[in-house]
Amino acid sequence: TQLLEQSPQFLSIQEGENLTVYCNSSSVFSSLQWYRQEPGEGPVLLVTVVTGGEVKKLKRLTFQFGDARKDSSLHITAAQPGDTGLYLCAGPPHSGGSNYKLTFGKGTLLTVNP
Amino acid sequence: NAGVTQTPKFQVLKTGQSMTLQCAQDMNHEYMSWYRQDPGMGLRLIHYSVGAGITDQGEVPNGYNVSRSTTEDFPLRLLSAAPSQTSVYFCASRRAGQRMNEQFFGPGTRLTVL
Repeated sequence: TQLLEQSPQFLSIQEGENLTVYCNSSSVFSSLQWYRQEPGEGPVLLVTVVTGGEVKKLKRLTFQFGDARKDSSLHITAAQPGDTGLYLCAGPPHSGGSNYKLTFGKGTLLTVNP
Repeated sequence: NAGVTQTPKFQVLKTGQSMTLQCAQDMNHEYMSWYRQDPGMGLRLIHYSVGAGITDQGEVPNGYNVSRSTTEDFPLRLLSAAPSQTSVYFCASRRAGQRMNEQFFGPGTRLTVL
């Protein structure tokens, strides 16, 4: 089983601050996805990164996939209360075969205070 | 499209009782999965299916059964509920393919076993 370690586990910040959360593994992933989960709901996909070194931007969110495809980061600029939620990274096994099984990290619980 | 639907939303069982968690999707997705989410544990894969008639075990399959008689439906059966199965259960679906396609989650079923 390939593990995805997310840090920090909890993060509480004030509106307007910047933050970065991390998703790390000792294994290579063919791609990584980031999801956001709000209380009482299922996770919703934010982005998929597939190429080592890739950077994707989604408004105030910037996602980066490490060159070696073992890690990823999510940077939020000028956080807003609406960014509050559990951020999860997920990826399929790299070693051949199908990509139907996803491994999830334990998540970073972000709270943005007004 | 309703997306992924799950019923019931909440359920309380006594130890030893059996029940079925229902999951349906109307997007004609080949892949469907069941996860459980526990505090501090992230999402853990219970069972998954790559198409009608094909199922396989995930990370934590013990105590659960699944079947996939149609593309749309993927019920999860608890044969004899135990307190350790108290959790939030999410069903998910996505299209098959070489790409890491978006996984769509249902709203979850919160199960308590007394």
